Amino acid sequence: VQLVESGGGVVQPGRSLRLSCAVSGFRFSDYGMHWVRQAPGKGLEWVGVIYSDGSKTYYADSVKGRFAISRDNSNNALYLQMHNLRADDTAVYYCARELRGPYTFDNWGQGTLVTVSS
Amino acid sequence: EIVLTQSPGTLSFFPGETATLSCRASQSVSSTYLAWHQQKPGQAPRLLIYGASTRATGIPDRFSGSGSGTDFTLTISRLEPDDFAVYYCQHYGRTFGPGTKVEIK
Repeated sequence: VQLVESGGGVVQPGRSLRLSCAVSGFRFSDYGMHWVRQAPGKGLEWVGVIYSDGSKTYYADSVKGRFAISRDNSNNALYLQMHNLRADDTAVYYCARELRGPYTFDNWGQGTLVTVSS
Repeated sequence: EIVLTQSPGTLSFFPGETATLSCRASQSVSSTYLAWHQQKPGQAPRLLIYGASTRATGIPDRFSGSGSGTDFTLTISRLEPDDFAVYYCQHYGRTFGPGTKVEIK
């Protein structure tokens, strides 16, 4: 199982950025997928989830209306589209595979750093 | 909204000792949805325990979880140098505790 995030970088406040998570080693279309972020020196914050078939998404209040999660099951890819970025969105963003039943994350990517700064 | 509390924020041990970490929920939760993750500096988190007491794949039996209701515990026996890290409890995927750092005394 591998999850590899990409797309991070430095972006100005108010701009947009899209993160990607390429997965391999498992049947992607069978699993719900999550994004979790971690601000520098801080703890873990759940960002959102997308169902295995892409039919539903849910978001943390802190990003609702600004972030959107999508997936391409044909290409084993997960995305996080971020709009109207703010300084407090600065964080390492991880994609994570959901462990069904216990509803936790059994595999994590290595993370990609997003820095929102002018 | 469930809030998870982990205190103290930092615990210090000698290698070989046993560490007992606490996670308290603001209201009773199902143990099915209580998990523990380990994070080392510069690395992604790693799942240790799910369902409050089930070890994830490849996790040594020095790690054990217990608890129910509002109080949960992660116990690490015979601490090894590689165990010094930050440990997060998590509920229902969406709520994380603030973490407990286990450092070498």
